[in-house]
Amino acid sequence: EAGVTQFPSHSVIEKGQTVTLRCDPISGHDNLYWYRRVMGKEIKFLLHFVKESKQDESGMPNNRFLAERTGGTYSTLKVQPAELEDSGVYFCASSQAVNWVAPLHFGNGTRLTVT
Amino acid sequence: QKEVEQNSGPLSVPEGAIASLNCTYSDRGSQSFFWYRQYSGKSPELIMSIYSNGDKEDGRFTAQLNKASQYVSLLIRDSQPSDSATYLCAVHLTGNQFYFGTGTSLTVIP
Repeated sequence: EAGVTQFPSHSVIEKGQTVTLRCDPISGHDNLYWYRRVMGKEIKFLLHFVKESKQDESGMPNNRFLAERTGGTYSTLKVQPAELEDSGVYFCASSQAVNWVAPLHFGNGTRLTVT
Repeated sequence: QKEVEQNSGPLSVPEGAIASLNCTYSDRGSQSFFWYRQYSGKSPELIMSIYSNGDKEDGRFTAQLNKASQYVSLLIRDSQPSDSATYLCAVHLTGNQFYFGTGTSLTVIP
């Protein structure tokens, strides 16, 4: 079974530019999450999809961040325009949607550096 | 107050010793708890989940949960150098959100 895959693994962009991160969850996992870890801080929740629907986007920092999951398969997270404080590691995770709390399976993350 | 608190470490133990990692959480309604291991530059990897009070053992790992005291711990017996990593405590809260601690860095000294 293929795990959660994320692309790119690293991205270095200048302030004001746009970056799009992609996540392919484990096949059959309806739940898809985006998390971010800023250096020295805890992994923080950004948003949660169930299939193609946004279930909870309370963790999105501001309207410069846009996440989509068209068709309920892969997801993209776009940052436009990027700011210095957006630097960090962006993790995607997926889990099965059943009537219990399924553990998260993480991708390797995208390390974003905004200069 | 943070939802999940962990000592950041670093925690150093000699090879063969027991490593004890602790985590406290703030929401009494939390029902599901997880320990993840993260090697440098890699993704967090689930190693234990625990849902009810008491101990849960899996090989060299034992998770302990005390909901009354709002803490969850992870014991690693016969620690190996390959156990050196950052260990993340995760707590599931209502609304299907998982909250993570900052992680405890463990070094097992050969």
